[in-house]
Amino acid sequence: DQQVKQNSPSLSVQEGRISILNCDYTNSMFDYFLWYKKYPAEGPTFLISISSIKDKNEDGRFTVFLNKSAKHLSLHIVPSQPGDSAVYFCAAIDNTNAGKSTFGDGTTLTVKP
Amino acid sequence: DTGVSQDPRHKITKRGQNVTFRCDPISEHNRLYWYRQTLGQGPEFLTYFQNEAQLEKSRLLSDRFSAERPKGSFSTLEIQRTEQGDSAMYLCASSLGVFGPRASTDTQYFGPGTRLTVL
Repeated sequence: DQQVKQNSPSLSVQEGRISILNCDYTNSMFDYFLWYKKYPAEGPTFLISISSIKDKNEDGRFTVFLNKSAKHLSLHIVPSQPGDSAVYFCAAIDNTNAGKSTFGDGTTLTVKP
Repeated sequence: DTGVSQDPRHKITKRGQNVTFRCDPISEHNRLYWYRQTLGQGPEFLTYFQNEAQLEKSRLLSDRFSAERPKGSFSTLEIQRTEQGDSAMYLCASSLGVFGPRASTDTQYFGPGTRLTVL
């Protein structure tokens, strides 16, 4: 039973356009969400996070939106750049079991010049 | 470099051999985590430490796996009698372990991983 799902294995966008990566979760106890970016042969790099008391968090070109009622979050990258090409992982933490992050399987983003 | 480091980066071993990996977390971080990642999947939680105490172990962590963090600093992950199914990337992460009243702020920072290949 996968509690965090990223239903799109891949996404391709043109440079300068918006990239939207989606993530759905099933565990209502999750109250903190993170996005990580991963290049080949490297570990995941923290990108942006959001707590369940917010519905939006913005950091430069990256914005994460959280819809708790739908158990859905998304990462928007505007404008997309070729250097953003990587695998993006969504992760969730249950504050009552805060030692463990549950990850989705990732979405491979390709930004074409 | 003050990030999380892991050693070795790559390990090739024969089935049945024992292997040990090391992780050095960010120095001020109290929590240390081990994850395993296979191709096409996200990292799967294995275990984590708060200082030297091992607080949770996943059911994925069979009896052949053992992790230690003896002085609350670096950690080792040992796999005994390796099997081909153990082939994966083993990731270590660390965090401050700081939590707000309603939401976690426990962002985990990952090392580069150790890629294990069992022949």
